[in-house]
Amino acid sequence: AQKITQTQPGMFVQEKEAVTLDCTYDTSDPSYGLFWYKQPSSGEMIFLIYQGSYDQQNATEGRYSLNFQKARKSANLVISASQLGDSAMYFCAMREATSGTYKYIFGTGTRLKVLA
Amino acid sequence: GAVVSQHPSWVICKSGTSVKIECRSLDFQATTMFWYRQFPKQSLMLMATSNEGSKATYEQGVEKDKFLINHASLTLSTLTVTSAHPEDSSFYICSARQGVNTNTEAFFGQGTRLTVV
Repeated sequence: AQKITQTQPGMFVQEKEAVTLDCTYDTSDPSYGLFWYKQPSSGEMIFLIYQGSYDQQNATEGRYSLNFQKARKSANLVISASQLGDSAMYFCAMREATSGTYKYIFGTGTRLKVLA
Repeated sequence: GAVVSQHPSWVICKSGTSVKIECRSLDFQATTMFWYRQFPKQSLMLMATSNEGSKATYEQGVEKDKFLINHASLTLSTLTVTSAHPEDSSFYICSARQGVNTNTEAFFGQGTRLTVV
């Protein structure tokens, strides 16, 4: 069963507007972490934001915020005031504590295109 | 954040040859390193997890004799693609994590684009 689901293969947003990228996850581990990474065409993985399973408040990092709904097992990324440089591939990832390796599981990604 | 350096950024090799990719943690000691493979327009697929000084743990379906992983020091892990074939062409990316039993962040290298001709 897929553990991280990103249902939007591609999204468009007008510059300066906000956009929400969806992510749902599945785990039976009570301790886990949720991440969002940005991957521009150059390939590097840029860390954007992190949400721990026990965190009470939604994470925020500048223009990025994570809408964490634990009961629904969703961790959507909200980008406010979109910029042209935000055009990239965005991956949601989960890190489980099982077996102690803390390996990351990635979703299939959402390609975001910001329009001028 | 911590810096993970991957080298080379891109490599072209002939079919049948071997290619080594290095992943270095520059400002921290990486007890665990992860190697991923990414096909065009697809997600990152974990290939293996390596802990310093021990054998790598490979994910199901990954040939360990094909993809040799060595994690000989706390700052360096290498992935060697042996007897490369065109189907091995892909983007390979490593990540490194400090600590063994702590829930610490992992940092990614910039990736290596391998083309086998």
